[in-house]
Amino acid sequence: EAGVAQSPRYKIIEKRQSVAFWCNPISGHATLYWYQQILGQGPKLLIQFQNNGVVDDSQLPKDRFSAERLKGVDSTLKIQPAKLEDSAVYLCASSTIQGGGQGRPGELFFGEGSRLTVL
Amino acid sequence: DAKTTQPNSMESNEEEPVHLPCNHSTISGTDYIHWYRQLPSQGPEYVIHGLTSNVNNRMASLAIAEDRKSSTLILHRATLRDAAVYYCILRGMGSGGSNYKLTFGKGTLLTVNP
Repeated sequence: EAGVAQSPRYKIIEKRQSVAFWCNPISGHATLYWYQQILGQGPKLLIQFQNNGVVDDSQLPKDRFSAERLKGVDSTLKIQPAKLEDSAVYLCASSTIQGGGQGRPGELFFGEGSRLTVL
Repeated sequence: DAKTTQPNSMESNEEEPVHLPCNHSTISGTDYIHWYRQLPSQGPEYVIHGLTSNVNNRMASLAIAEDRKSSTLILHRATLRDAAVYYCILRGMGSGGSNYKLTFGKGTLLTVNP
């Protein structure tokens, strides 16, 4: 069974540059999440989508971060311009609502993450 | 979100049982207790969850205190592959929407010695 796919796995940029991360959730999962994990901390939710609508983006720094989930499947997370403190692993996760198939309702499946280093 | 408190780190020996504690004194009656773990360089993965009764699955057991203010994740025989950060998380009962959001703390770093 295919899991959550993310790319790129690693990215190094200089501050003030832009970067984009891509996520392909598990097929049929209506809910998609982007988390930011800074070294030594637990993941922090940035944004949650249900289908192609935003459920929660209260912790997304909207002056520099944006995310979209067109057609309710793939999603991209963009940072522009990047700051040093954005260095982190960006994790994408997905979950089903109704169960059956892959996972219980609300069980999150995570990708391996995209590690961003801002110099 | 109701908060959980876990020790920063714990150590175990291979093939011995491990009991990972979690305090959640402000838990509400409709909060599920979820455990996830994060292996090095990977995203978190689901371990187990429960509401009131103790739960067992192929990975672990979850023991929930009668007053639900604490719980313990039990790994019956730790292996080197169980070395990870273990997160105890409370999640609301309602279906869909923000109730499926997970708020992670720092978790417990479990070291397993050979």
